Amino acid sequence: EVHLVESGGGLVKPGGSLRLSCAASGFSFSNVWMSWVRQAPGKGLEWVGHIKSKTDSGATDYAAPVKGRFTISRDDSKNTLFLQMSSLKTEDTAVYYCTPNRGPNDDYGFFHWGQGTLVTVSS
Amino acid sequence: QSALTQPASVSGSPGQSITISCTGTSSDVGGYDYVSWYQQYPGKAPKLMIYEVSNRPSGVSNRFSGSKSGNTASLTISGLQAEDEADYYCSSIRSTNTDVFGGGTKLTVL
Repeated sequence: EVHLVESGGGLVKPGGSLRLSCAASGFSFSNVWMSWVRQAPGKGLEWVGHIKSKTDSGATDYAAPVKGRFTISRDDSKNTLFLQMSSLKTEDTAVYYCTPNRGPNDDYGFFHWGQGTLVTVSS
Repeated sequence: QSALTQPASVSGSPGQSITISCTGTSSDVGGYDYVSWYQQYPGKAPKLMIYEVSNRPSGVSNRFSGSKSGNTASLTISGLQAEDEADYYCSSIRSTNTDVFGGGTKLTVL
């Protein structure tokens, strides 16, 4: 069974930094692209970015609002995904979810989700 | 990088069918068969309902179906039930090697 557990959220001041983690199990983590998706309070889902598998270069892509401020990385030896957030703004306040880009048969879609971790940016 | 366009709300009575549209461009919805649909209850994580335009994951009711025509994808729910009342989001990949979600649609079962 796929299990995703996000952690590291909390309260941070504008301009500050925070690092989120996502512990994954139940699938071949190293072989899949992983994404972060966020949801501001009362708002819709927003794709944040993804990291490709190392066999696909391990490159990252980001949504425009976070590009240059957020960095996604992965530790395949620990089946863990990271989101390093810096220069945080109040509009980054959201629940952050990690999710693999593909399902069990390599089908494209966000099949599995964790419970999310809340990041609050406020002075 | 604007979101895909969905109606803010739709409603229907039990037993009826409803359709939620998701409009993008030839650089996302129209250019790829990688449209997905998600159901979300308040305070809960999203759940995948349709992937690759029209495929249902195991365990999803066959009352849910997806389609696409040009730059617009659609989610149809037939035989509407009270438990279908939720928020629904579409998503697609984009030519810029990014993903994008729709703004979301609140479904009310009357």
